[in-house]
Amino acid sequence: RKEVEQDPGPFNVPEGATVAFNCTYSNSASQSFFWYRQDCRKEPKLLMSVYSSGNEDGRFTAQLNRASQYISLLIRDSKLSDSATYLCAVNIVNNFNKFYFGSGTKLNVKP
Amino acid sequence: DAGVIQSPRHEVTEMGQEVTLRCKPISGHNSLFWYRQTMMRGLELLIYFNNNVPIDDSGMPEDRFSAKMPNASFSTLKIQPSEPRDSAVYFCASSFGGSEKLFFGSGTQLSVL
Repeated sequence: RKEVEQDPGPFNVPEGATVAFNCTYSNSASQSFFWYRQDCRKEPKLLMSVYSSGNEDGRFTAQLNRASQYISLLIRDSKLSDSATYLCAVNIVNNFNKFYFGSGTKLNVKP
Repeated sequence: DAGVIQSPRHEVTEMGQEVTLRCKPISGHNSLFWYRQTMMRGLELLIYFNNNVPIDDSGMPEDRFSAKMPNASFSTLKIQPSEPRDSAVYFCASSFGGSEKLFFGSGTQLSVL
């Protein structure tokens, strides 16, 4: 079983829509959680960390549910420039950091 | 800061040839990770180093793959002999121990014909 699983999508939404992605993780020892954004033919870049209490950064809201072992990303008022692949990542810390990534969810925002 | 630097950006080679991918982590970072990304399998962790020491290489596909980190500013991932199924984008990433932030290089697009 993969450490982190995501719906690959694609999610096709119109500009201004609200879209949400979920991601599940299998290892209850996972301690830190993140969302990365990857543009076509580029490297993944950190979008935001996910804290237990939930956190917001502008139009982006991330939440963590430890009991059900999933994290979510909500994008409000989506823009054309939000089109990308969104990867969730978990960090399992057993003496050293070890980052696992989901396969990514592709988002297409249409005019 | 120059970020994580990988070379080459693109590599095209023939089956059976040796391939060496290079990575220079961000100065001061003491953890280095090698990932492979394909459409089918997503982003897979191959191996990671902490303070130049390999910590976990359980993700390395098979003995044809090897990685070294001779010093804090340089790492290599070698495939010998290469096979068509090794075709993928190989990313190197680094972080400062205990930091939650992982920084990726631009990747090496490897095509094995």
